[in-house]
Amino acid sequence: NAGVMQNPRHLVRRRGQEARLRCSPMKGHSHVYWYRQLPEEGLKFMVYLQKENIIDESGMPKERFSAEFPKEGPSILRIQQVVRGDSAAYFCASSPPGTAVLYEQYFGPGTRLTVT
Amino acid sequence: AQSVAQPEDQVNVAEGNPLTVKCTYSVSGNPYLFWYVQYPNRGLQFLLKYITGDNLVKGSYGFEAEFNKSQTSFHLKKPSALVSDSALYFCAVRDGTGGYNKLIFGAGTRLAVHP
Repeated sequence: NAGVMQNPRHLVRRRGQEARLRCSPMKGHSHVYWYRQLPEEGLKFMVYLQKENIIDESGMPKERFSAEFPKEGPSILRIQQVVRGDSAAYFCASSPPGTAVLYEQYFGPGTRLTVT
Repeated sequence: AQSVAQPEDQVNVAEGNPLTVKCTYSVSGNPYLFWYVQYPNRGLQFLLKYITGDNLVKGSYGFEAEFNKSQTSFHLKKPSALVSDSALYFCAVRDGTGGYNKLIFGAGTRLAVHP
């Protein structure tokens, strides 16, 4: 059973460009979380999605950031007009359907975004 | 507001000795607590969790953690450390009362096991 997959693993963007980060959850998982890790820091929650629904986006910056998890295909974290402060590792995690609070999250390898 | 603290940036231990990585938490209501490990340039791997039940929780790779409600702690332990245990360890607590695990992570503790 393949784990959580994220691509690309490394992404370099110039200031002002768009970044698209993809996450394919584990097979059978329908809950997706996105976290951001700044250098030498812990992970910070960004958004929680179920298929076709954003449940909690309280950790997302109000501007430039958006997330989706369509019925078919991976979850996408989109950052428009990137700035240097967006440089970080972005991790996706998934958990099984059902009572999500009972299940641990399984993390992908992350996408390391560098903004030049 | 929910929070979690890992008071040590780094823990050094000799191979074969017991190790402890500390974590304290602050939550309203019953805590849901987790430990994850991160190897360089990798994602986080789940080690163990406490939701309810026995205060001593056993997890992967020989790790265990003790939930102490009076001290609001959830320290990670292993009886005999291996060099391969060297990594970054994160304690996390569930935030909020929704039916999902929105996690708040500590800043992490770097464990260095010396041969």
